[in-house]
Amino acid sequence: EAQVTQNPRYLITVTGKKLTVTCSQNMNHEYMSWYRQDPGLGLRQIYYSMNVEVTDKGDVPEGYKVSRKEKRNFPLILESPSPNQTSLYFCASSLKGQSYEQYFGPGTRLTVT
Amino acid sequence: GNSVTQMEGPVTLSEEAFLTINCTYTATGYPSLFWYVQYPGEGLQLLLKATKADDKGSNKGFEATYRKETTSFHLEKGSVQVSDSAVYFCALSRDTNAGKSTFGDGTTLTVKP
Repeated sequence: EAQVTQNPRYLITVTGKKLTVTCSQNMNHEYMSWYRQDPGLGLRQIYYSMNVEVTDKGDVPEGYKVSRKEKRNFPLILESPSPNQTSLYFCASSLKGQSYEQYFGPGTRLTVT
Repeated sequence: GNSVTQMEGPVTLSEEAFLTINCTYTATGYPSLFWYVQYPGEGLQLLLKATKADDKGSNKGFEATYRKETTSFHLEKGSVQVSDSAVYFCALSRDTNAGKSTFGDGTTLTVKP
């Protein structure tokens, strides 16, 4: 089954404790992205990647890091999480040249206390 | 930069009512336009898309027409059902920078029996 998976689905952590949210897709897509969803602010893009070792900032990259060492994986790293990073996070992937419609993962609910 | 503006919600309708959710965009060139739907507790999924001016996307009774002259991509459905209750997002991406996507704030639709 074609899908985007994220882990963990739920995470509660404390300020300053480094964490990684994993994202993996099995569709051989070139493009991958991370978004955060906050009430009243819609969906905002954090980082995106066009292929292995090629990443770029989205609209709200501060406080986040990403890497793309393999085509299928695109982890999101919070080096020193803060409470304002409490949010619902989505990973997505898309195929180059197919109008770039995106396939989304199920989401990761992160709470930073 | 690019931007997407959706009509403010939430929207509450009775079953079988006509639905319109307005979406206008700002972008240079010829972006691809999308409507995504998010059902409660789930990730986003593509509802429909249009890749060039005057294209009409359609799916599950929903339709939207890419109007370049008015920079709009309004979502319509002739007769909504309770099962259509969800959050709807308008989005765009450009083929010259396909990894970069811009989403509207989302419109919450509730359909009452």
